[in-house]
Amino acid sequence: EPEVTQTPSHQVTQMGQEVILRCVPISNHLYFYWYRQILGQKVEFLVSFYNNEISEKSEIFDDQFSVERPDGSNFTLKIRSTKLEDSAMYFCASNPSGIYEQYFGPGTRLTVT
Amino acid sequence: GNSVTQMEGPVTLSEEAFLTINCTYTATGYPSLFWYVQYPGEGLQLLLKATKADDKGSNKGFEATYRKETTSFHLEKGSVQVSDSAVYFCALVLNKAAGNKLTFGGGTRVLVKP
Repeated sequence: EPEVTQTPSHQVTQMGQEVILRCVPISNHLYFYWYRQILGQKVEFLVSFYNNEISEKSEIFDDQFSVERPDGSNFTLKIRSTKLEDSAMYFCASNPSGIYEQYFGPGTRLTVT
Repeated sequence: GNSVTQMEGPVTLSEEAFLTINCTYTATGYPSLFWYVQYPGEGLQLLLKATKADDKGSNKGFEATYRKETTSFHLEKGSVQVSDSAVYFCALVLNKAAGNKLTFGGGTRVLVKP
């Protein structure tokens, strides 16, 4: 069964550094998403992406964040200058048609020190 | 805006006990409803869904019915196993347009003891 994959599984970085989190959505899906979950808190929406552009973004997704689909398979989230409060689990998700359920990857745990 | 409220955990049960996790929602439009499960150390997996009022979603012995009149989508399982220990998230997405975001509840941790 096709799955969403994410790399790395765990990333440790120093405050102020740039990080890129990578996702490979399910191959025939057209809608892509990033969510995050700060430890012990709820899963929060960051951004949705369709047809090579952002469809919607949350207040969390400020100028420090960007997303890109650099080729036909990868979907990346970049944080330009990480802050301590960016420490969280980041989930990528995809969806074939933009409606109903989304399929999640296993997540990348980002630790900012 | 849209929101999902679910009972706080942790919920601790013995094996073969009955499990219910309450979930209520508010939505500005017409939502589809989901339960996702997160096993220890893993990502979010879709457990079940319901896309319109009175639909019943079911999977792995779990059930939830979409009740529009009470804006609820409570999760139930008649006889839990140790392997059901996980965090359960109720979520909604509006059906009005493609690409809409999921809105999650806070999650309920369930611990099943042998």
